[in-house]
Amino acid sequence: GEDVEQSLFLSVREGDSSVINCTYTDSSSTYLYWYKQEPGAGLQLLTYIFSNMDMKQDQRLTVLLNKKDKHLSLRIADTQTGDSAIYFCAESSYNTDKLIFGTGTRLQVFP
Amino acid sequence: DVKVTQSSRYLVKRTGEKVFLECVQDMDHENMFWYRQDPGLGLRLIYFSYDVKMKEKGDIPEGYSVSREKKERFSLILESASTNQTSMYLCASTGTSGKREQFFGPGTRLTVL
Repeated sequence: GEDVEQSLFLSVREGDSSVINCTYTDSSSTYLYWYKQEPGAGLQLLTYIFSNMDMKQDQRLTVLLNKKDKHLSLRIADTQTGDSAIYFCAESSYNTDKLIFGTGTRLQVFP
Repeated sequence: DVKVTQSSRYLVKRTGEKVFLECVQDMDHENMFWYRQDPGLGLRLIYFSYDVKMKEKGDIPEGYSVSREKKERFSLILESASTNQTSMYLCASTGTSGKREQFFGPGTRLTVL
């Protein structure tokens, strides 16, 4: 079945850029998503990219999609302590309303 | 402001008890989902529903059942709670068009003793 993989932890210094990576197996993915989960809260959609795009930029966030390698990344510029959270990659296929989530990457930002 | 609410933030139950987790959304969404979240395993889909009285099993339905009698409400039922069902439970809903963003509730942390 479909699978989405992420590394579990990332630690960066405040002000640096963070890059969170994700790989997926479903070649029929239509949308790919990045969700953010702050401590004690549910998930919130951060950004998404349609599968026919290579890149999407939204303020400090840049999403890169390499369809050939089935690799998705989220870059956060000028990372702040408020960016500390768990980030989930997810993908959906055209024939289902379900999302497949990765394991989540815990981003820790230190001063 | 769109909203998904869950009946409890924290719940402590004993082994063998019947447990009800309630989820309500105010967005008139067709689809609703129940996930459990465990460290290192991400979100795993338990059940989902694409319409009133309709349900489909997700990846880990064993030990759970669901009920959707009204469009806005989706309940998760643990018929006989066990300690391995201690987890964070997240409810989500989505419409059927566009980017299919799933909107999540705040979660219920269930502890089974």
